[in-house]
Amino acid sequence: QFALTQPASVSGSPGQSITVSCTGTSSDVGSFDFVSWYQQHPGKAPKLIIYDVSKRPSGISNRLSGSKSGNTASLTISGLQAEDEADYYCSSYTGSSTLYVFGTGTKVTVL
Amino acid sequence: QVQLVQSGTEVKKPGASMKVSCKASGYTFPNYGISWVRQAPGQGLEWMGWINPNSGNTFYAQNLQDRVTMTTDTSTSTAYMELRSLRSDDSAVYYCARKVRWELDSWGQGTLVTVSS
Repeated sequence: QFALTQPASVSGSPGQSITVSCTGTSSDVGSFDFVSWYQQHPGKAPKLIIYDVSKRPSGISNRLSGSKSGNTASLTISGLQAEDEADYYCSSYTGSSTLYVFGTGTKVTVL
Repeated sequence: QVQLVQSGTEVKKPGASMKVSCKASGYTFPNYGISWVRQAPGQGLEWMGWINPNSGNTFYAQNLQDRVTMTTDTSTSTAYMELRSLRSDDSAVYYCARKVRWELDSWGQGTLVTVSS
């Protein structure tokens, strides 16, 4: 099962900034601005936090931001807080028969 | 507010079929797609496919297209996902989610399905 590549874990201290990467190919992340990010707390459903690479849904903190360069998208969490401790998944439209793919997921730990 | 409420936990035997429902409220159901995503225990998210409730058109993940069928009932604003010939590795939490363009902006609470003999 094809998936976008994310680091397994990223950690930071409260108040710091961290960045989670999401690496795809020229057939998905590199070709389309349809990258989304989801936050998932244990035992809960995922929650959309970024869409179209860098847009935030209503109610999502401006401490979360998204960007893209080439085949790699990134999620930055600034001013890290305890509530940010969760799993994060990127996703992208692929434009191929695969159509849509998630990342492998990153566990963010607040030290 | 947008809400997706899924059916309850299921336990199935290998080779059986399962059908999960997802009742939508708080928006005009035909105007948004419904995607299905599953998550095996301790694993990541896997996109299964999506359905356009307005047209009934479906798009399935290649690895599931022989076993999965997604349908909707616009009269009750309910989406359904049927998976056949269940195997142990189909054990997972199954989620429905509202698809806007290519983002999934509202999710159901998840349905745990266990496949075991």
